Amino acid sequence: GNSVTQMEGPVTLSEEAFLTINCTYTATGYPSLFWYVQYPGEGLQLLLKATKADDKGSNKGFEATYRKETTSFHLEKGSVQVSDSAVYFCALSDLGDTGRRALTFGSGTRLQVQP
Amino acid sequence: GAGVSQSPSNKVTEKGKDVELRCDPISGHTALYWYRQSLGQGLEFLIYFQGNSAPDKSGLPSDRFSAERTGGSVSTLTIQRTQQEDSAVYLCASSPPSGGTDTQYFGPGTRLTVL
Repeated sequence: GNSVTQMEGPVTLSEEAFLTINCTYTATGYPSLFWYVQYPGEGLQLLLKATKADDKGSNKGFEATYRKETTSFHLEKGSVQVSDSAVYFCALSDLGDTGRRALTFGSGTRLQVQP
Repeated sequence: GAGVSQSPSNKVTEKGKDVELRCDPISGHTALYWYRQSLGQGLEFLIYFQGNSAPDKSGLPSDRFSAERTGGSVSTLTIQRTQQEDSAVYLCASSPPSGGTDTQYFGPGTRLTVL
């Protein structure tokens, strides 16, 4: 079956530090990959996505590259801000027999950015 | 336009009671998903509706859980004889019709507490 593994949190960084949150996946087909973010007290929001190998998703200074050879989709940002403090979820979507594209999520990584 | 809405935002109930959770997807979205977010289990898929097709119920944890989608729009998730382990945030997501890798848009969730 499908699975997503992401690094344990919390990750605590100082403002303007470089961020990497690791994510690796296992899938039977050719999944699309996503990063969702959940800010305190808010719902899940799509941060970025990539739909095929070597695609790079980017948004709000965050980037992630779909690496089929290493089955990874690591999230990076060059300079984090306090407002980036949130929980980040890596997820994949794979077309199953029923046509279902339900997301399989990682366990989430809490990021805390200190001023 | 309006996003996915869910009601109620919070629900406190006593063990053994039935509860109904409602989801209004984005207009025109044909796919609708229910997920559960709990401390012990992370984010789990529950059920999937696509147009007029039979729903994919493979993620429902027990026969106390059921869901319906009327007129291809609003969905109701029903939990009968609630148990304390049902306490979680129940999330609904919808996505537009397409053969591609559609992004899922999440509602704010319903926080269910079973006393």
